[in-house]
Amino acid sequence: QQQVKQSPQSLIVQKGGISIINCAYENTAFDYFPWYQQFPGKGPALLIAIRPDVSEKKEGRFTISFNKSAKQFSLHIMDSQPGDSATYFCAASSSTPLVFGKGTRLSVIA
Amino acid sequence: GAVVSQHPSWVICKSGTSVKIECRSLDFQATTMFWYRQFPKQSLMLMATSNEGSKATYEQGVEKDKFLINHASLTLSTLTVTSAHPEDSSFYICSARMGNWAGELFFGEGSRLTVL
Repeated sequence: QQQVKQSPQSLIVQKGGISIINCAYENTAFDYFPWYQQFPGKGPALLIAIRPDVSEKKEGRFTISFNKSAKQFSLHIMDSQPGDSATYFCAASSSTPLVFGKGTRLSVIA
Repeated sequence: GAVVSQHPSWVICKSGTSVKIECRSLDFQATTMFWYRQFPKQSLMLMATSNEGSKATYEQGVEKDKFLINHASLTLSTLTVTSAHPEDSSFYICSARMGNWAGELFFGEGSRLTVL
């Protein structure tokens, strides 16, 4: 019930391409879905977050798509850049601590 | 965004000694802070939830006597790894919740502990 399943585990994208990372959850009580970006040796940084009352949220090159009926949400990074190379974690919560996915290591190559 | 400061950023200690890691919310008051542990190339594992003025709530499998957590003020929580052993070597990350909203967390930069 508390799991958040994230895929793919790793991703290689050409510079300028679109990076897509997917997450699925089981607990229908979750009402907050953030994405975090983590560089090696650093703490995670909040990238973008969505609540289930909207199906999409866009901030710059980053977009969250949310499908409540399928219990899935995804992160799209448009015009991917080498500086986007990092590990990305999806997460979910209700009134409980965040439950994290296992992470996706994104490498953007020139 | 809000700033959470963690100190030290890295520490090396001998086996059997104790190490204290501090987590401070610099520009907001945090009634709740969380401590995570992260092994290389793995996700964050919640260790405990720290509430100001009360005892921490530990996740299953986390030894409360080994990982002492104190949340003495609205801006400071500390994690003390007691009698550290090499298997305690890890990346420890704190986070703080702003306000009463269930989800939004801000993370510290992490503390790399190496036990020799």
